[in-house]
Amino acid sequence: AQSVAQPEDQVNVAEGNPLTVKCTYSVSGNPYLFWYVQYPNRGLQFLLKYITGDNLVKGSYGFEAEFNKSQTSFHLKKPSALVSDSALYFCAVRPYGQNFVFGPGTRLSVLP
Amino acid sequence: GAGVSQSPSNKVTEKGKDVELRCDPISGHTALYWYRQRLGQGLEFLIYFQGNSAPDKSGLPSDRFSAERTGESVSTLTIQRTQQEDSAVYLCASSYVDEQYFGPGTRLTVT
Repeated sequence: AQSVAQPEDQVNVAEGNPLTVKCTYSVSGNPYLFWYVQYPNRGLQFLLKYITGDNLVKGSYGFEAEFNKSQTSFHLKKPSALVSDSALYFCAVRPYGQNFVFGPGTRLSVLP
Repeated sequence: GAGVSQSPSNKVTEKGKDVELRCDPISGHTALYWYRQRLGQGLEFLIYFQGNSAPDKSGLPSDRFSAERTGESVSTLTIQRTQQEDSAVYLCASSYVDEQYFGPGTRLTVT
């Protein structure tokens, strides 16, 4: 079965420190990979995606993610966290021609 | 341009009543998705429309749930004989090739 894992329910980081939100997946083929963010009482917003090419992709709000094919991972990173980054983050994969598969989400709290 | 819109934004209904939720996708987007999100939880896939193909209904939790889409435009999600456990935010998303664009959701409360 195709699945996406986000091993941490909650990530706490101090403002100004680097942050990482982890994502691993188990799907067939070479899927497209995505990160979405959900701020409190808001819908999901697209952050970034990996389709092909450079393994490090940059997205909105200073976020970036690194694709690692051998580890089937797509971890989200930011060099310096802001309190306003506190939100729920979802990793998603889309096997070619198929439906999206979302991870369970990771709640990020950035402490001032 | 206009994003994905959903209506109503909030719906309070009595247990046992039927409700209809509407999603207007971004024009030209061939794919449309419905998800359910309970408070503080992840996304629960419900149904997926892709062009003129038969919809993927594998996520519908019971036969009380159904959805329709007219061509590549508006979609309606219908919940019959609502139960309290149906209370959640129902999210719609549309896509053309790659990423999904989400609507603001409909918050359904069954009393």
